[in-house]
Amino acid sequence: ILNVEQSPQSLHVQEGDSTNFTCSFPSSNFYALHWYRWETAKSPEALFVMTLNGDEKKKGRISATLNTKEGYSYLYIKGSQPEDSATYLCASADGNQFYFGTGTSLTVIP
Amino acid sequence: SAVISQKPSRDICQRGTSLTIQCQVDSQVTMMFWYRQQPGQSLTLIATANQGSEATYESGFVIDKFPISRPNLTFSTLTVSNMSPEDSSIYLCSAGTNRAGEQYFGPGTRLTVT
Repeated sequence: ILNVEQSPQSLHVQEGDSTNFTCSFPSSNFYALHWYRWETAKSPEALFVMTLNGDEKKKGRISATLNTKEGYSYLYIKGSQPEDSATYLCASADGNQFYFGTGTSLTVIP
Repeated sequence: SAVISQKPSRDICQRGTSLTIQCQVDSQVTMMFWYRQQPGQSLTLIATANQGSEATYESGFVIDKFPISRPNLTFSTLTVSNMSPEDSSIYLCSAGTNRAGEQYFGPGTRLTVT
């Protein structure tokens, strides 16, 4: 069982602010790192899959980086909008299964 | 990608009863999984649903408590048996090509046991 940790647990930001969250995972037996965005009563939506150390992915105002040697990934949101309000989950895969963090709950205040 | 539907979306059940959750995928997929998220906890894998054979359960989960069926490549059910308040959780199914590759999730079933 892998211990995946996310911080902060929750975050409130003003519309227009930029923000970032952290996902920490064991660096041994690393296969891939997944980020999901999960709105209440909806399906978790896949944001990024990253496998290589130093990977950077971008989707609109959201981007992510990966450091497999030290075991962390950052998710950045630039110019937060109310529609960004959701829980952001990361999952580390070891080649056998996913191990999820508890998520970061983001609330963007208009 | 795959679109996954689940039903029911939510339910409130009495202690000692059972609930069956259905998961339908819009295309044939190799693997289907069932997860649980208890309040304040992370999503935890319950089992891998295998087509035409018994599911593969993770440590801490047993077939008597969580029987799973997968009669074909697009459909699976999870039953939560003899429920107790500790079973109050969100249950999600997912689908993917392998256990560590990209997975697509259903919207979840919110279960409250009173």
